Amino acid sequence: GAGVSQSPSNKVTEKGKDVELRCDPISGHTALYWYRQRLGQGLEFLIYFQGNSAPDKSGLPSDRFSAERTGESVSTLTIQRTQQEDSAVYLCASTREVTGWGLAGVSEQYFGPGTRLTVT
Amino acid sequence: LAKTTQPISMDSYEGQEVNITCSHNNIATNDYITWYQQFPSQGPRFIIQGYKTKVTNEVASLFIPADRKSSTLSLPRVSLSDTAVYYCLVGDINTGRRALTFGSGTRLQVQP
Repeated sequence: GAGVSQSPSNKVTEKGKDVELRCDPISGHTALYWYRQRLGQGLEFLIYFQGNSAPDKSGLPSDRFSAERTGESVSTLTIQRTQQEDSAVYLCASTREVTGWGLAGVSEQYFGPGTRLTVT
Repeated sequence: LAKTTQPISMDSYEGQEVNITCSHNNIATNDYITWYQQFPSQGPRFIIQGYKTKVTNEVASLFIPADRKSSTLSLPRVSLSDTAVYYCLVGDINTGRRALTFGSGTRLQVQP
């Protein structure tokens, strides 16, 4: 079956513009995660959704970042008034479900190929 | 928040066993520890996960001591295709914040 897809694959934008990144999870996966990976660095957790709900938004870097998910499928990560420090690869992952408290190993996360964002 | 520490890089030769350790403090007590592999320009790929003691699958073993303050990923008989970056993933401590922390990653270089 199809894996996690993300669009666009590459995005170049001018500083100050808004951008919207899209993630299509694997069908039937109820949990969805967003990460940021700066060049040569590790993954930074941003936010996760259980269904359409995001229990904790404190991982978002600033109030310029927002995310939503509808219909327990597609999710969009929006960055307003982009800054050069927002340049990174934004990765999305999905899992079958998140149960109880644990997040790290409830279920294998399947990652998309990422969106490479460059802010000039 | 959870803190993790991994070696920045490791070198090995084909056929050798490689052990990569991740130290992690303040991790969620009821959550698993998971390891991922990442190749350039790709998203991470799941390798193995465990809660305590030892777990083994077809590609790796994972050792977790009783205090769960570290975990060691063991790759038996590595090949050139195992050259990649390896990350541990832990859940943040139960303080009301539901989040995840990836380690900084260990770049493994396997040579012929």
